[in-house]
Amino acid sequence: QVQLKESGPGLVQPSQTLSLTCTVAGFSLTSYNVHWVRQPPGKGLEWMGVIWNTGGTRYNSALKSRLSISKDTSKSQVFLKMNSLQTEDTATYYCARGNTWRYWGQGVMVTVSS
Amino acid sequence: DVVMTQTPVSLSVSLGNQASISCRSSQSLLHSDGNTYLSWYLQKPGQSPQLLIYLASNRFSGVSNRFSGSGSGTDFTLKISRVEPEDLGVYYCFQHTHLPFTFGSGTKLEIK
Repeated sequence: QVQLKESGPGLVQPSQTLSLTCTVAGFSLTSYNVHWVRQPPGKGLEWMGVIWNTGGTRYNSALKSRLSISKDTSKSQVFLKMNSLQTEDTATYYCARGNTWRYWGQGVMVTVSS
Repeated sequence: DVVMTQTPVSLSVSLGNQASISCRSSQSLLHSDGNTYLSWYLQKPGQSPQLLIYLASNRFSGVSNRFSGSGSGTDFTLKISRVEPEDLGVYYCFQHTHLPFTFGSGTKLEIK
C-alpha cells in the first residue's frame, strides 16, 4: 500500500531553516520520483521541486537559492531543507509521488513566526 | 514557466446541474513522448488534493463517471454532470509536461 507522510516542526522562526521529512511506504525511491508542493493558507498549490529516482534534483526557480531536496533510499525518506524562511513561507507542505501523481501525503502545516 | 489560466474563479451550481471548468496553458502540453500531462484535482476542505483526471481525459480509478476531462494542446475542460453535495471544494488543473510543473489558480465549486 503506497503511503507518504510528511513530518517536521510546526513552527519555525523567521530567518531560520525549515527541515521536513517525507517517509514513504509501498514503493522504492529508486523507482519513483518524489515532489514537494506547498499551499499557503487559503491559497493555491505551488510546485517546489523534485528528487528523481536517480537522485538528481530540480527546483522551482523562485525557491532555488534557498531549497535543497535529498533522500535516504535505505530509510525510504526524502528530505526538504529551505533556509532564510519568511512569514510568506507559512504553508502546508506536501510530498507527492511522481509519474501518475496519484499519491500525496496528508501535508504538514508550517508556521513561520517569532 | 507554463502559466495555467483557470476559469472561473468560483462556480455556484444547483444540485443535479452541470459544472464546467476551463484551463488554458501558455504553451502546448503535448510532451515529446506523445502524452499530454494535464491532470485535474479536487481538494476538499482540510484534505490533500485528490486525483480525478489524468492525461487530460482519463478518469482515475474509482472516480465517478460524472467527471469527464477533455481537450488538447493548450485548451482543457473539466465537466461535472449532475453535481452532488460531495463535489464541493476547489478544483485545480495541473501540468507536468514542462518543468517547472505548474498548477492553475483553482476554481471553488459551491452548491447553490
